[in-house]
Amino acid sequence: DTGVSQDPRHKITKRGQNVTFRCDPISEHNRLYWYRQTLGQGPEFLTYFQNEAQLEKSRLLSDRFSAERPKGSFSTLEIQRTEQGDSAMYLCASSSRDSFQETQYFGPGTRLLVL
Amino acid sequence: DQQVKQNSPSLSVQEGRISILNCDYTNSMFDYFLWYKKYPAEGPTFLISISSIKDKNEDGRFTVFLNKSAKHLSLHIVPSQPGDSAVYFCAATRFAGGTSYGKLTFGQGTILTVHP
Repeated sequence: DTGVSQDPRHKITKRGQNVTFRCDPISEHNRLYWYRQTLGQGPEFLTYFQNEAQLEKSRLLSDRFSAERPKGSFSTLEIQRTEQGDSAMYLCASSSRDSFQETQYFGPGTRLLVL
Repeated sequence: DQQVKQNSPSLSVQEGRISILNCDYTNSMFDYFLWYKKYPAEGPTFLISISSIKDKNEDGRFTVFLNKSAKHLSLHIVPSQPGDSAVYFCAATRFAGGTSYGKLTFGQGTILTVHP
């Protein structure tokens, strides 16, 4: 098992452009999470999926953000009309709901810079 | 509203000594706690966790202590090694009847530096 992977690792874009990030979870994990981390802060929850269903969205997730997980496998996070305040590390994590003690395993993240 | 707080932004320790990282939480609904380690340009790596039914959990050099009445947990690393130098995050979540509520709430992190 290669763990959680994310693509791209880095993205530089101009304000107003749309960007899309991809996350591939650990294959047997049915839960997938997106977090955002800014400098000097811990990761902040954005949204999560159980299989293909999006179960919760944070208030941080404005209308410009949308996430999908078709077929309950990989997930994409799209940001439309990017703003400089969107610059951050976007982290994906996956876990298995089957165990009582659920542990989330993180990918390497996608660092976004909006100019 | 910062529900999970790590009040020490940094900690410096000599190799071989004990490192103690602290974390406080305010939400009494939290009942499962985790520690993650993060190197620059990498995602957080899971270290150790503890359920609220326990007050201590050990894994090799890492021990987590939970004081529910004080809403406080700590991570002890003994002995500390230079490779332990990283940012450490505590995180909290809630289980109810075996069903996870999913999201983790993280503290701001503590930068640990272990000097040779």
